[in-house]
Amino acid sequence: AQSVTQPDIHITVSEGASLELRCNYSYGATPYLFWYVQSPGQGLQLLLKYFSGDTLVQGIKGFEAEFKRSQSSFNLRKPSVHWSDAAEYFCAVGATGFQKLVFGTGTRLLVSP
Amino acid sequence: EADIYQTPRYLVIGTGKKITLECSQTMGHDKMYWYQQDPGMELHLIHYSYGVNSTEKGDLSSESTVSRIRTEHFPLTLESARPSHTSQYLCASSAGQGASPLHFGNGTRLTVT
Repeated sequence: AQSVTQPDIHITVSEGASLELRCNYSYGATPYLFWYVQSPGQGLQLLLKYFSGDTLVQGIKGFEAEFKRSQSSFNLRKPSVHWSDAAEYFCAVGATGFQKLVFGTGTRLLVSP
Repeated sequence: EADIYQTPRYLVIGTGKKITLECSQTMGHDKMYWYQQDPGMELHLIHYSYGVNSTEKGDLSSESTVSRIRTEHFPLTLESARPSHTSQYLCASSAGQGASPLHFGNGTRLTVT
């Protein structure tokens, strides 16, 4: 069975600074990987996804993520954080066949002025 | 603009009451899901559906039940609410074969007193 680890519960970044959120997964085959963002009181919004091909994927709102098979990682990055990026970020891994996602526990991003 | 709708957004109800959380999507997606989300925890899949008249239990045991009589509608019912059911419930849908992304509703925050 697949699993996801997001080792950072909270991260605080200054506005304008770069951001990297960590995600490690466990899955025997090539995984489907996703990053979602959740603002307070809202559902989850898809930021980006990796299925195959280029290991660097671009998403919405200026986010990107890099799939590294050797490290079983799919870290999310943004070069310059905006105050509106403050939210909770979830990494998820899906198995082939039925789309049954397993989510990490999330990382709460705080943006300081 | 949301294509998947959940009602109510917030619900406070007494122990022993029967409740139904509504979820509807306008995208024609075959697959629908219910996740339970508690603060600081990963999302747990409690029910899913491949299509009309198809329902399955997810990874997290739940006393709730679901039905799928129409493609667009996937309500969740608790026959007798208890304080342990206090949580956020997120409905999602996805299309097609393979690992299509999930589209989430804004969730229902349930409090059982």
